[in-house]
Amino acid sequence: GENVEQHPSTLSVQEGDSAVIKCTYSDSASNYFPWYKQELGKRPQLIIDIRSNVGEKKDQRIAVTLNKTAKHFSLHITETQPEDSAVYFCAARNNDMRFGAGTRLTVKP
Amino acid sequence: DAGVTQSPTHLIKTRGQQVTLRCSPKSGHDTVSWYQQALGQGPQFIFQYYEEEERQRGNFPDRFSGHQFPNYSSELNVNALLLGDSALYLCASSWGQGRDTGELFFGEGSRLTVL
Repeated sequence: GENVEQHPSTLSVQEGDSAVIKCTYSDSASNYFPWYKQELGKRPQLIIDIRSNVGEKKDQRIAVTLNKTAKHFSLHITETQPEDSAVYFCAARNNDMRFGAGTRLTVKP
Repeated sequence: DAGVTQSPTHLIKTRGQQVTLRCSPKSGHDTVSWYQQALGQGPQFIFQYYEEEERQRGNFPDRFSGHQFPNYSSELNVNALLLGDSALYLCASSWGQGRDTGELFFGEGSRLTVL
């Protein structure tokens, strides 16, 4: 089955700086790559996703890039704010969705 | 729209017992997936149900079983509980099957503690 690896496991940035989280996947048939944000004690919530026929997608301060050849995708958050502090998960889907281990992002005011 | 609902929210069991967790999918969704999330870890895929059948399964033992009902709701059963089964169990729903399904919506989870 699909194997998703995510780095780094923790990331601390200063408010206003950018944050980048990277993931790799193993199944070349995967065609959908979402990113979820999970705040403490809450459910994971989708923040952005990208399909395999697109290389980049942007939504305000967040963007995702996909390199199908390298089987690599990344989340970029610009102008970070304290409320961006949470755990972020990448995922990849072929017939079912598999998740990375998560990145704990801390944005320091 | 009620979203994905799960019950119970918290429960405590002892080793060797059995547990049943329940999930109602988001309105319009017909596919239910179950995940186990240990503290500080990512969600681990248990299995997926569509049209009342288990369609995909992750690397979990047969102690983990499930069911989907005609109204698309689902149950997760875990037999012979082990301490290591302590985790947050997340239900997620979507529409369709296979590679072209829509976005995955999660419930708030059922936190299981095994003593």
